[in-house]
Amino acid sequence: AQTVTQSQPEMSVQEAETVTLSCTYDTSENNYYLFWYKQPPSRQMILVIRQEAYKQQNATENRFSVNFQKAAKSFSLKISDSQLGDTAMYFCAFMKRTNNAGNMLTFGGGTRLMVKP
Amino acid sequence: KAGVTQTPRYLIKTRGQQVTLSCSPISGHRSVSWYQQTPGQGLQFLFEYFSETQRNKGNFPGRFSGRQFSNSRSEMNVSTLELGDSALYLCASSEGHPTDTQYFGPGTRLTVL
Repeated sequence: AQTVTQSQPEMSVQEAETVTLSCTYDTSENNYYLFWYKQPPSRQMILVIRQEAYKQQNATENRFSVNFQKAAKSFSLKISDSQLGDTAMYFCAFMKRTNNAGNMLTFGGGTRLMVKP
Repeated sequence: KAGVTQTPRYLIKTRGQQVTLSCSPISGHRSVSWYQQTPGQGLQFLFEYFSETQRNKGNFPGRFSGRQFSNSRSEMNVSTLELGDSALYLCASSEGHPTDTQYFGPGTRLTVL
């Protein structure tokens, strides 16, 4: 079984600054995917970024980038130039790569990020 | 394309009753997954349906069940409701390959009194 740990329950950052959210995971799998999802106060979960474990290059998506360290089983999210709209719960999630067993996300406990003006 | 839709958005039930929640996936998506979100347990996987068949199942009691229709719409049912079933129930859809990204709906907030 896989576990995902987010060690920072809450964080805050000033607008326009950079913040890094931590995520570690435990798995015996070699092929998997990692995700960061954002859940704003309105509750709709939104995909922020996706990383394939077999790719060494860190994924980026505009102001969002990850630092993927496979050996350390670490997957942190960096948000640059933070905006008020980035205020949300952020969830790190793991998905095992399978061919036919269906897809299932295992989530961390979440980090509540507040961006202050 | 329209996103994932869930109905109803809010429900209030009493213990012992049963409830049915509905999820319409993104057009063209054939896989629908359900998750339960609570403050204590976080986000937990319930089950996944693909082509009207349950393809994966989480660790929930048999009171939780689901089904998927030929148009990929899915319903989940909870029978004999307990206070602990109060939660946000999230539905997510994907195109269908097991490694596809899942896209979430707004959720249904269930309160059990």
